[in-house]
Amino acid sequence: QVQLVQSGAEVKKPGASVKVSCQASGYTFTTYGITWVRQAPGQGLEWMGWISADNGNINYAQKFQVRVTMTRDTSTSTAYMELRSLRSDDTAIYYCARNESSGLGYWGQGTLVTVSS
Amino acid sequence: DIQMTQSPSSLSASVGDRVTITCRTSQTISIYLNWYQQRPGKAPKLLIYSTSSLQSGVPSRFSGSGSGTDFTLTISSLLPEDFATYYCQQSYITPLTFGGGTKLEIK
Repeated sequence: QVQLVQSGAEVKKPGASVKVSCQASGYTFTTYGITWVRQAPGQGLEWMGWISADNGNINYAQKFQVRVTMTRDTSTSTAYMELRSLRSDDTAIYYCARNESSGLGYWGQGTLVTVSS
Repeated sequence: DIQMTQSPSSLSASVGDRVTITCRTSQTISIYLNWYQQRPGKAPKLLIYSTSSLQSGVPSRFSGSGSGTDFTLTISSLLPEDFATYYCQQSYITPLTFGGGTKLEIK
């Protein structure tokens, strides 16, 4: 069965960086892109960007353009999202999701990133 | 960016009720509108894609309709497990954008 398993919760200080991983299984990794979405506490969903698992092409939301890097490792079927220069308002649950033509059909369990001094 | 306006932001209903949630977009998106359900502490789950297509495994009491800029999600007869937050999302153009959510609560 399709699974996306994310890395564990992180606590970071303002100004630091965080790298969240998303390991896929149950399908051919390079067939689908991976989208990253975040959700601040008690808030809605925010699209951060997308990476093609096949060729590594990326499309970032302009809001995160200068601070985010999305990569993937096809040998381990893992996608990564790194966010730099963290601020307190980056405190959120970060989700990866499989990007299908029909929508975001499979999601990881989420990774809580807490930014606090 | 395409703005997504969901209404209502919250809704109280009873088991067995029929409910409708509306999503309006700031520009036309053809049929590229998806609906997600999110239960507390869980990741979102895709319910409806391309306005009206039911994702595999989703019960038929969920349905979607609309086109252009106005879309609806209807739950025909609420079950206890349907009390959750619902989000619309446009997949017409990046950045993909979500509605603000509709929290469906038990009356």
